[in-house]
Amino acid sequence: QVQLVESGGGVVQPGRSLRLSCAASGFTFSSYGIHWVRQAPGKGLEWVALIWYDGSDKYYADSVKGRFTISRDNSKNTLYLQTNSLRADDTAVYYCAREAPTTGGAFDIWGQGTMVTVSS
Amino acid sequence: EIVLTQSPGTLSLSPGERATLSCRASQSVTSSYLAWYQQRPGQAPRLLIYAASSRATGIPDRFSGSGSGTDFTLTITRLEPEDFAVYYCQQYGSSPPFTFGQGTKLEIK
Repeated sequence: QVQLVESGGGVVQPGRSLRLSCAASGFTFSSYGIHWVRQAPGKGLEWVALIWYDGSDKYYADSVKGRFTISRDNSKNTLYLQTNSLRADDTAVYYCAREAPTTGGAFDIWGQGTMVTVSS
Repeated sequence: EIVLTQSPGTLSLSPGERATLSCRASQSVTSSYLAWYQQRPGQAPRLLIYAASSRATGIPDRFSGSGSGTDFTLTITRLEPEDFAVYYCQQYGSSPPFTFGQGTKLEIK
């Protein structure tokens, strides 16, 4: 079935790095833009980053620009988020989400999320 | 950046009642690219409504969306027990950032 599965979360010290992954299956991964969205504990949803279907364009929230890098490997059906210089306020569940062209770009498929905790 | 403000913050209703949730944008939302998501505790968000009024695949017809420009509404008729959750609006389709509202918690009265 169509699904996204995140991995790579964990507990990391402030200033360190972590690479998150999102494995896609059940659809033609290389045809879809994919986003990262995060949710701090007990808080709302925050859009983080977008990468186009072919990786040719990338966009970031101001809160992560210059620290996070989104990338993808279409041969492996996998999306990545390299998170550097992590701060306490980066603590959140990180979701990957597919952008559906038939909806104009709403996020129609979400992964289950991976938790990142930034703490000393 | 478009700021989305949802109201009320919490809505207390009983099963079988009608729920009306509001989402107001700080500027006009391009082409009504406004979506609604449902998030149950411990789960990922689920797309309910896109383009302001179109139901996503598999979404029951008791969910409906309306509005344009800066004012949007999600209506849930005849609340079922599984409908009690947090609901987020989101604007998408134009230039990033693709902002979300702060959420409305629909709780059982």
